[in-house]
Amino acid sequence: QVQLQESGPGLVKPSETLSLTCTVSGGSISSYYWSWIRQPPGKRLEWIGYISYGWSTNYNPSLKSRVSISLDTSKNQLSLKVTSVIAADTAIYYCAKENGVGAFDIWGQGTLVTVSA
Amino acid sequence: DIVMTQSPDSLAVSLGERATINCKSSQSALYSSNNKNYLSWYQQKPGQPPKLLIYWASTRESGVPDRFSGSGSETDFTLTISSLQAEDVAVYYCQQYYSTPPGWTFGQGTKVEIK
Repeated sequence: QVQLQESGPGLVKPSETLSLTCTVSGGSISSYYWSWIRQPPGKRLEWIGYISYGWSTNYNPSLKSRVSISLDTSKNQLSLKVTSVIAADTAIYYCAKENGVGAFDIWGQGTLVTVSA
Repeated sequence: DIVMTQSPDSLAVSLGERATINCKSSQSALYSSNNKNYLSWYQQKPGQPPKLLIYWASTRESGVPDRFSGSGSETDFTLTISSLQAEDVAVYYCQQYYSTPPGWTFGQGTKVEIK
């Protein structure tokens, strides 16, 4: 059974870069599509971007200029970078596996990132 | 951009009664290539990640109780909980996948409580 675990700093200063890692266990990162999704406190889920096993990526247009997602197949990890963060980037960040038919069937527990000086 | 609107924002239902949540999309979720609607439903309890309940608009994920059912096509979809249980208290989200290029959009969520 595939399991996901996000990790990274819980506090990032405004204008700096948010960097998170998602470690995949129980399966190969080279076999599926992966996404990052975030949820600001009390708000709806927001898809950030995806990466395929072939390294194709696509990002939410509202974040595209500040986001990048990559894979590290040697570590079975995917990573997320968001540059020039602002307070509105404060959220729980999830990594998720796509099930091949447009839905996310496995999620990490999420990690809260707060943007504050 | 695809916009997904759920209704109502919240509802209170008595135990054992039916709960119905609607989801309307600004673009069709139906793909003519396979006649499938790429619309999914999730359940999120406090402090937990979302859990996939339904994909392809009406296909239950493995292990999901059969009191959860999905219906609809193209732009209008419904999630029904046929007999509400205490453990069903949660926020429910619809989500649409679009393929060119690949992307995903969520509704704003519907909070289900016990009356």
